[in-house]
Order: sequence, then structure tokens, then C-alpha cells
Amino acid sequence: DAGITQSPRHKVTETGTPVTLRCHQTENHRYMYWYRQDPGHGLRLIHYSYGVKDTDKGEVSDGYSVSRSKTEDFLLTLESATSSQTSVYFCAISEAGSRYGYTFGSGTRLTVV
Amino acid sequence: AQSVSQHNHHVILSEAASLELGCNYSYGGTVNLFWYVQYPGQHLQLLLKYFSGDPLVKGIKGFEAEFIKSKFSFNLRKPSVQWSDTAEYFCAVTSYNNNDMRFGAGTRLTVKP
Repeated sequence: DAGITQSPRHKVTETGTPVTLRCHQTENHRYMYWYRQDPGHGLRLIHYSYGVKDTDKGEVSDGYSVSRSKTEDFLLTLESATSSQTSVYFCAISEAGSRYGYTFGSGTRLTVV
Repeated sequence: AQSVSQHNHHVILSEAASLELGCNYSYGGTVNLFWYVQYPGQHLQLLLKYFSGDPLVKGIKGFEAEFIKSKFSFNLRKPSVQWSDTAEYFCAVTSYNNNDMRFGAGTRLTVKP
């Protein structure tokens, strides 16, 4: 697939602990996105980045923070995980913005117990 | 904010049946429209996209979609489904100058052999 990898693929964590998910791309695309996928909701945007150190909030950003210190890496952090953040998290990349479509990573299944 | 509605939550068809999945969006400006497919346990893959021009868009694997601006619709069709089309299908919309792609809740398609 296109050069986008997410790690870890699966994680179980306890309520209240911090968690960081990583998205790494080798395509040198400017735009990177974090979505969460939940049954009945489709995918909802958490945060996105339009360049190194340039990020913005999405539809469901509460409880999440992001960082992008290098073009290739976009980190999503749950400062204090809650059970409502149990979800599948997808990273996506785009060369020129959302209106051109995305390439998705394989996802991270996060369970907060 | 733009939103996307997919009215069919779960569709069950027999092989060789014709498929039509509904998608309606709410946004009055210029939009770009997408259909993505997610096979079980996998990430989302782009089926087809509409930017402008011919409202009938052809995608991969024999899928097509028709953009009807007056109805704010972008329905997905396939004349004859196969068992391998069993997957979840997501409609998505993004506006011309907005970096937020909105997804529908998804339609699960089950094709019986």
C-alpha cells in the first residue's frame, strides 16, 4: 500500500493513562489527519495537520492533542484515556488537502478498560 | 457544517443482483464527493470521486456513482454484485475550501453466494 503506517496496531490501556498513537508516512504529503471510527458514526475528524507544527481541531477534538515535528510523523495523544475513547483510529494523508481525497493507514484499535 | 446521510444501514443481496446505495449531503457550495470501501478488518480504500464535469463517475471494480446536484445526492451503483463486494461503504463530502472531509455512517453490504 501507499507509504503510511500506524503504530501500534492494537492497544489495551487503562482509564486515566496517557496514550500516544503514531502515524508515519513516506510520501512527503503535506496534509495528515486523524479520524476515529465508531459504529453508527462513520469516521469523524479529530485533528489534522497542514504542515510541520501546523495543526487544527476537527469535529471531535476534546480529550486529544496532536503534534507534528517532522513532515513524516503525526502523533495523536490521549492525555488521560477514557472508555469513550475506545475506538479504531485511522490516520490519513493527502498531498493537497481533503478535497483531493485521502490515503488511509491500516488503523489502530484502542481499547480503554 | 456539512453533513452526509446514508439511509441504508445494512443491505443484503444475492450475487448478480444490482446495487444502489443512497448518499445525500447537506452543503450549498461547491463540493467534492467520494465513495470509500472498507473490507472486513481493513482500512478504507477509495472507490471513486467526483470533482466536476460528467456527473456519472466510474470507479474501480465496476462501481459507478451519479451526482445529482438538485437532489444533493451521490448514489453508488453496481449492475451485478459479487460475493467479494461484501464490505462497508462510506460516502464522504468535502467543500472546495474546507479541509474537513465528512463521512456518512456507512452502509454494510452483505452479498450472499
